[in-house]
Amino acid sequence: GPKVLQIPSHQIIDMGQMVTLNCDPVSNHLYFYWYKQILGQQMEFLVNFYNGKVMEKSKLFKDQFSVERPDGSYFTLKIQPTALEDSAVYFCASSQSNERLFFGHGTKLSVL
Amino acid sequence: GDSVTQTEGLVTLTEGLPVMLNCTYQTIYSNPFLFWYVQHLNESPRLLLKSFTDNKRTEHQGFHATLHKSSSSFHLQKSSAQLSDSALYYCALSVDSAGNKLTFGIGTRVLVRP
Repeated sequence: GPKVLQIPSHQIIDMGQMVTLNCDPVSNHLYFYWYKQILGQQMEFLVNFYNGKVMEKSKLFKDQFSVERPDGSYFTLKIQPTALEDSAVYFCASSQSNERLFFGHGTKLSVL
Repeated sequence: GDSVTQTEGLVTLTEGLPVMLNCTYQTIYSNPFLFWYVQHLNESPRLLLKSFTDNKRTEHQGFHATLHKSSSSFHLQKSSAQLSDSALYYCALSVDSAGNKLTFGIGTRVLVRP
């Protein structure tokens, strides 16, 4: 079936550094999402993105977070600067209008 | 805000016996969409089934669930567990059919033994 690819699968960085998480969504999908899952907790919605714009974001989507998809390339989540509490697995997802979400495998971010 | 509560932790089953995973929810919306996602080891979460209609059974790949708005429940069931059903199961809630903003439960890990 359709695949959402996330690169890298694991990223380790020092607190205060910038990190960019990359997502290659399903090719004809138009809606893109990021979810965050802290170890032992549920997945939580961060943001959704359509037509080059953030449509909705949660309170977890701090000012240090940003998303973009320049020229139909990767859909990225940038965190600058990172904090210890940003350590989590970040899941990317994509969908067409009125269809189901397809998730990636997740990127495990470890902030030291 | 919205919330989803699932059977927590690990559920261990014997192959061939029935499966039931509990899911209840809270929301102010009168017409929520409920979803079950399944995540097998080293795979991404994928949609198993979803429902919007009160008291109507939804089935897919041998699993079924019925949305009961009176009890705010959407329990997942299967009559006979298979070894390949070992996975992490998430119940989730949304206000639209695509699940554009899902509220997830914590997930229930299922282990099916021979």
